[in-house]
Amino acid sequence: QVQLQESGPGLVKPSETLSLTCTVSGGSISSYYWSWIRQPAGKGLEWIGRIYTSGSTNYNPSLKSRVTMSVDTSKNQFSLKLSSVTAADTAVYYCARMATRQWLDYWGQGTLVTVSS
Amino acid sequence: QSALTQPASVSGSPGQSITISCTGTSSDVGGYNYVSWYQQHPGKAPKLMIYDVSNRPSGVSNRFSGSKSGNTASLTISGLQAEDEADYYCSSYTSSSTLLFGGGTKLTVL
Repeated sequence: QVQLQESGPGLVKPSETLSLTCTVSGGSISSYYWSWIRQPAGKGLEWIGRIYTSGSTNYNPSLKSRVTMSVDTSKNQFSLKLSSVTAADTAVYYCARMATRQWLDYWGQGTLVTVSS
Repeated sequence: QSALTQPASVSGSPGQSITISCTGTSSDVGGYNYVSWYQQHPGKAPKLMIYDVSNRPSGVSNRFSGSKSGNTASLTISGLQAEDEADYYCSSYTSSSTLLFGGGTKLTVL
């Protein structure tokens, strides 16, 4: 059974860079897309972007200028960096596996990231 | 890109059927059969309920079904049960090679 676990700081200061890592267990990270999704408290889901194990990426146009994703197949991990954060970036961040036909079948439990000084 | 349009809330009594709509454009819902639906209970991660418009993953009840007509996809839940009370989100692949979610629908089982 594939399992995903997000990790990273729960508190980030405004204007700094949010950094999260997702560790995949129970299966290989290879040959799949891997996505990040976020959800502000009481609001809906927002897709941040995806990365293939080759390193190819696609990002949400509204976040594209601030987002960088990377993958480390040797560690079965992929990562998210979101720069110049503001309070509006406070949310639960999820990582998920994305099938070729774009459905998200395995999700991490989510991690709350708060942007505050 | 704007979120796909879903009703904010729907409700039904146990045993009844409800349908949640998800409206997009020809650049997303209408252009691809890559529509998925997710169920989210409070404090939990979303769970995949429907993929490729109308397919159910293993383990998902056959009370859940999906369909699409033009730019609108729909999720139908038949034989409503108390445990179905949750938020539901649709998603669609887009012509920009991105994924777009709906705004979410809160289902209340009366």
